[in-house]
Amino acid sequence: DSGVTQTPKHLITATGQRVTLRCSPRSGDLSVYWYQQSLDQGLQFLIHYYNGEERAKGNILERFSAQQFPDLHSELNLSSLELGDSALYFCASTTGGANYGYTFGSGTRLTVV
Amino acid sequence: GENVEQHPSTLSVQEGDSAVIKCTYSDSASNYFPWYKQELGKGPQLIIDIRSNVGEKKDQRIAVTLNKTAKHFSLHITETQPEDSAVYFCAASRYGQNFVFGPGTRLSVLP
Repeated sequence: DSGVTQTPKHLITATGQRVTLRCSPRSGDLSVYWYQQSLDQGLQFLIHYYNGEERAKGNILERFSAQQFPDLHSELNLSSLELGDSALYFCASTTGGANYGYTFGSGTRLTVV
Repeated sequence: GENVEQHPSTLSVQEGDSAVIKCTYSDSASNYFPWYKQELGKGPQLIIDIRSNVGEKKDQRIAVTLNKTAKHFSLHITETQPEDSAVYFCAASRYGQNFVFGPGTRLSVLP
């Protein structure tokens, strides 16, 4: 157990629908990063939050949004889902200080049918 | 922005042999270079990292080397074992922010 909790582990939904993925970072970690991993693809950076504030955006579609709450958990909202959104979605957390390494959760596998 | 290339994309070695994976990066300001191992159905796990003020770092059977001038870094695994079979990702970043990952190397260790 990495200490980063992602729910749900699996999600199957239809095109056009909206889903919410949840991430609870390791205790004490202020930064949350979201990454998308499509089949046989690398890890594509989506968005970064630090202590409730958005810090950076990567290749995140306008149909996707995220937020980090006061208790530091984060949610990634995906709307108007398309078949191509099927992927593994990972969150990672880090303290944001001198310890640079990310700790990843086990991911949410999203299947859009 | 930063761009990270990684080679080879697949690598098969016999158990006990060494494996080397190489990455190059484009942003000369990048100063932190981690390596992650991803096993099937799991999230990536940090296995070793190196900062730009160090040329080499070793942890048991794994080592990472960094050449800042050439902007490349490599992962070396010695005495490979079947449990080393996984996908390995390199990454580059400035001060641990917004990692840019390479496309990954699928390592197979054949018994």
